[in-house]
Amino acid sequence: DTGVSQDPRHKITKRGQNVTFRCDPISEHNRLYWYRQTLGQGPEFLTYFQNEAQLEKSRLLSDRFSAERPKGSFSTLEIQRTEQGDSAMYLCASSLRAVGEKLFFGSGTQLSVL
Amino acid sequence: TQLLEQSPQFLSIQEGENLTVYCNSSSVFSSLQWYRQEPGEGPVLLVTVVTGGEVKKLKRLTFQFGDARKDSSLHITAAQPGDTGLYLCAGGGVSGNTGKLIFGQGTTLQVKP
Repeated sequence: DTGVSQDPRHKITKRGQNVTFRCDPISEHNRLYWYRQTLGQGPEFLTYFQNEAQLEKSRLLSDRFSAERPKGSFSTLEIQRTEQGDSAMYLCASSLRAVGEKLFFGSGTQLSVL
Repeated sequence: TQLLEQSPQFLSIQEGENLTVYCNSSSVFSSLQWYRQEPGEGPVLLVTVVTGGEVKKLKRLTFQFGDARKDSSLHITAAQPGDTGLYLCAGGGVSGNTGKLIFGQGTTLQVKP
């Protein structure tokens, strides 16, 4: 069990550029979540997948954000035309849907938009 | 909007002291989870409580879920410098999804040797 892996760990970009983050969940986990955390706050839910299906998106997720999980394994989160307000830690978590669902978080991708 | 309020937001204590962190909401949650987060890392799950009035112990940490499942507390006995970190409570079961969590803003704990 190698845990949830996220890449890159850090990303610095200029306003207006597109960025893409990758998440590799724990292999047998069928649920995958994306959260966003800003400094001094707890994480906020963005979206989640069960297998390859994206089942829910937060209203926080503007049209500039898109997430995919093409084969029910790894997932990508893309932000188009980044804005300074997008600067945050983007966290991925995976779980095995079951009673008492437990989320396992990755180390996150820290995005800085200049 | 469902919110979880944590208090205090920041706590600085000496090694050996006891402390309690509170997590309150006006909403009912099907589960309440506590996480610990180190700088630059993701949250790590400490415990999940699901039954009103439930008490769970993890070594020197005691977690309690309120009878009405709206609030929770984390008590640490004889704190050690290794307990330093950000403690987050999170309510689950929003819209029937136990993995969609509402997090509190966190309590930053600093334990001085």
